[in-house]
Amino acid sequence: SQQGEEDPQALSIQEGENATMNCSYKTSINNLQWYRQNSGRGLVHLILIRSNEREKHSGRLRVTLDTSKKSSSLLITASRAADTASYFCATVFSSGSARQLTFGSGTQLTVLP
Amino acid sequence: GAGVSQTPSNKVTEKGKYVELRCDPISGHTALYWYRQSLGQGPEFLIYFQGTGAADDSGLPNDRFFAVRPEGSVSTLKIQRTERGDSAVYLCASSELGTLGAEQYFGPGTRLTVT
Repeated sequence: SQQGEEDPQALSIQEGENATMNCSYKTSINNLQWYRQNSGRGLVHLILIRSNEREKHSGRLRVTLDTSKKSSSLLITASRAADTASYFCATVFSSGSARQLTFGSGTQLTVLP
Repeated sequence: GAGVSQTPSNKVTEKGKYVELRCDPISGHTALYWYRQSLGQGPEFLIYFQGTGAADDSGLPNDRFFAVRPEGSVSTLKIQRTERGDSAVYLCASSELGTLGAEQYFGPGTRLTVT
């Protein structure tokens, strides 16, 4: 089963605009990660934020985490047509032996040139 | 170095047949994961190996699914008596350690189609 919800399910913007995607989850986590996927195949790791962190940056990416609201957001600034892809958040539970990622349902981002 | 590789990239089989999907993790990675992704959904966890042993197989949907990793590197996911509902992209990932914060590196996946 999916851990949480992402919204919007689909987002279409013009090149140069910023894109914001949100993710909510249900259980306590150790960390939350964002992945990108092109054409339904390989997933590419973008950024990891730990439960004791509130914000993290990597290039044009900015991720925030609010553990009290069990939510995260991914901001892509100055978007490019090449950013067109599906974006997934994934969480790792904070306790027990589980190490697997639990993914959301994803946001399909389309950046129009 | 080489990333995670999976073979075959595409597999078409008839309902009821047996299939094997192979994953070659990044050399030296002790943890290996299998996920399944249906169209329009995020990947769902199937099984996790730490070394040669299955540390968590709670995601396997039923006993038709089985996976091995006999030497702690290559893993094979085996599906018996395939059903049309098994059609999906099967993704493999590996990480250097099986720790909570370890980044997982994904392979390109095997697209399985059961006709």
